[in-house]
Parts: sequence; structure tokens; C-alpha cells
Amino acid sequence: EAQVTQNPRYLITVTGKKLTVTCSQNMNHEYMSWYRQDPGLGLRQIYYSMNVEVTDKGDVPEGYKVSRKEKRNFPLILESPSPNQTSLYFCASSDIAGKTEAFFGQGTRLTVV
Amino acid sequence: DAKTTQPNSMESNEEEPVHLPCNHSTISGTDYIHWYRQLPSQGPEYVIHGLTSNVNNRMASLAIAEDRKSSTLILHRATLRDAAVYYCILSPGTYKYIFGTGTRLKVLA
Repeated sequence: EAQVTQNPRYLITVTGKKLTVTCSQNMNHEYMSWYRQDPGLGLRQIYYSMNVEVTDKGDVPEGYKVSRKEKRNFPLILESPSPNQTSLYFCASSDIAGKTEAFFGQGTRLTVV
Repeated sequence: DAKTTQPNSMESNEEEPVHLPCNHSTISGTDYIHWYRQLPSQGPEYVIHGLTSNVNNRMASLAIAEDRKSSTLILHRATLRDAAVYYCILSPGTYKYIFGTGTRLKVLA
């Protein structure tokens, strides 16, 4: 089954404690991206990756890092989380950016206290 | 980056067609028009996409204006399971997706 899998689904952490949210896809897609969703603001793109070792900033990259060492994985790293990063996060992948269907993960609800 | 404008909310009766509008007056020639929907507590789900011509699939139809400055997502027979937030998105050559806040569709039984 075609899937984008995020882990964990829920996470509560403290300010400043580094964390990683994993994202994995099983469709051999080249394009992957991360979004955050906040009430009243819709989904905003954090980072995206066109292919292995190729990443670029979206609209709200501050406070986040990503890496793309393998095609299937695109982890989101928060080196020093702050309360304003409390949000619902989604990972997505697609075969060709913008021209084909994108698949989204089920989301990770992060709370930073 | 090209942006889209959608009504905040719409209502429809069950079993009736629904037309969800989207304005994208600054669309460029290479932008694809995508529609996704998000059900409560789930990730966005692909509905349909197109470039210039109208498109049909098992879920919906996409009608694109001749000047491409607007489009309409058509759900032919709304069901209660179609109640969701619908996002109209342009996918520009820079590969940045701009979602906006979407249209919340309420389906009345």
C-alpha cells in the first residue's frame, strides 16, 4: 500500500530538548516536503527536497532542519524547540513536484512546553 | 508566489452537486492547479489536478477557466463523507506549495 509514515504521532517535549520527527515513503518518490498547520493559518511549507541531498527552504524554515540522505526518508529536526513550534506537522511526497498527486502522512502533533 | 482565494465556508445538501470556486489571478503559465481536502484529524488527501483542460476523475471534476485565472471543483453528488476543508493550490516552478486556509464544506443531511 502506498504510504507516507510519520513518527511519532504525538509528542510532548520541553523547550530546548532536541527532537526528530521521522518521515518515510514507500513509493520511490523524488519530492518530499514538510508542513506545519496552525489554527487560522492553514498549512505552511517548512522545507522541501527535490531529491537525495537536495533540500530548500519553504515559507517558514526558521528553527527547523532537514536532511535527505536516502530517497525514502526525510526527517524534520528541531535542534532547540520553542513553544511557538507547537503545531500539527505533516510530511508529504510526490513523484514529480507539482505535476502529480501528493501523498500526505497522518500528522504529528507536537507540543513544546 | 501565486496565491489562491477561496470562500471560507460553503454548505450543500446531501445528494446535490457542489461547486467550490477558487480564484488565482496571478497564475503563471507553468502552474498546475491542485485540489486537496482534509477530513477532521487526517492529513490532506489528493482530489484532482490540472493545467489547462478540464479534468474528471472518480472523485470530482475540475473546471478551469479559459484564462486560467479561476477554477471550480465540482463534486457531483455530495455525501456526508465529503464534509471537509478543501484547498485549492498552485504548484509553481519553484516547487513551493502555498495552501491558504481553504473552504470548509458542510454537507447537510
